[in-house]
Amino acid sequence: DGGITQSPKYLFRKEGQNVTLSCEQNLNHDAMYWYRQDPGQGLRLIYYSQIVNDFQKGDIAEGYSVSREKKESFPLTVTSAQKNPTAFYLCASTELVTGELFFGEGSRLTVL
Amino acid sequence: GDSVTQMEGPVTLSEEAFLTINCTYTATGYPSLFWYVQYPGEGLQLLLKATKADDKGSNKGFEATYRKETTSFHLEKGSVQVSDSAVYFCALRGDTGRRALTFGSGTRLQVQP
Repeated sequence: DGGITQSPKYLFRKEGQNVTLSCEQNLNHDAMYWYRQDPGQGLRLIYYSQIVNDFQKGDIAEGYSVSREKKESFPLTVTSAQKNPTAFYLCASTELVTGELFFGEGSRLTVL
Repeated sequence: GDSVTQMEGPVTLSEEAFLTINCTYTATGYPSLFWYVQYPGEGLQLLLKATKADDKGSNKGFEATYRKETTSFHLEKGSVQVSDSAVYFCALRGDTGRRALTFGSGTRLQVQP
């Protein structure tokens, strides 16, 4: 079945540690996105990539980094510079023409 | 920049009641509009969409009409079920620029038996 796989589903991190969230898609989509979701708030765009080896900052990129070395993969690193990293992180992908986003199941990061 | 405003929740209804969740947007040009649904602990699923003015999106008994004159895309359902309990997000995709979706803050719907 085609879809988006995020891992891990739950992750705990100590302050000062970097952590990488995985996102893999087998939908052959060109564009991929990372969103952050906090309780009672909508989704905020962290980074996006419309083509391999290229990516752009979203609205809240500070403290995060990404790479897009392969079309199917778009990992997100939450660095120690991110002041408040505890959140639910959602990866999505889309064909550029339709704009309809397909989402993964999400990764919940908790900083202890 | 683009923005989406949704009515605050939670919205609590009895089963078989009529549902309306308001959504208005600000965007230049001719954005595409979407409603997504999120069940507890899961990612978002597309519920319906509309790509031009006066289009009506529909799915699973839910409907929304793209009203450019009022910049609105209100979600409606004639008879809700307990299984409709979830968080609903309105979103838009601009027709220029970065082409990423901009989301509203979400509206939690609770349907009681």
